[in-house]
Amino acid sequence: AQRVTQPEKLLSVFKGAPVELKCNYSYSGSPELFWYVQYSRQRLQLLLRHISRESIKGFTADLNKGETSFHLKKPFAQEEDSAMYYCALSILTGGGNKLTFGTGTQLKVEL
Amino acid sequence: DVKVTQSSRYLVKRTGEKVFLECVQDMDHENMFWYRQDPGLGLRLIYFSYDVKMKEKGDIPEGYSVSREKKERFSLILESASTNQTSMYLCASSLGRGQTYNSPLHFGNGTRLTVT
Repeated sequence: AQRVTQPEKLLSVFKGAPVELKCNYSYSGSPELFWYVQYSRQRLQLLLRHISRESIKGFTADLNKGETSFHLKKPFAQEEDSAMYYCALSILTGGGNKLTFGTGTQLKVEL
Repeated sequence: DVKVTQSSRYLVKRTGEKVFLECVQDMDHENMFWYRQDPGLGLRLIYFSYDVKMKEKGDIPEGYSVSREKKERFSLILESASTNQTSMYLCASSLGRGQTYNSPLHFGNGTRLTVT
């Protein structure tokens, strides 16, 4: 069965410091991974997906199949990055896709 | 822009009551999902549906059922609410069949259910 692990419940960094939110997955097939973010009092929303290979709000994530990881990185943290971040693994089934989420990491950016 | 609307933001129910949580999406998405969100446990999939009148169990379906009579509406039913079902419930939708990629989920604002 597929699984997503986010080892840190809380990550606290200072403004301007680099950020790395860890995500490891287990899945026997070809994975497709996402990062979702939930800002305070807002709905959960897509941040980025590995297939797009894009940078969103300064965040990037690279899929490392050898290490089965999809860590989220940003070189310089900003106060508005404070939020809950979820890593998710998507698999295609007969009818559509199904997402399995990690337990989430709360990022706190301090001044 | 996709809009997923959950009918209630907060609900308080008594143990043993039958509870209905409603979700409507306006973008003709085939897939709809119900998750519960708990601190330290993340999001756990309860049920999902790929099409009208179709449903599949997720990871934690016990104590829940669902109904999808129309494409845009996906209801979560707690047949007999219990205190351990106190949680934040999130509905989501995504594009379905025919997609060559895993389409992202669009979430509602959530319903915080308290069972006393």
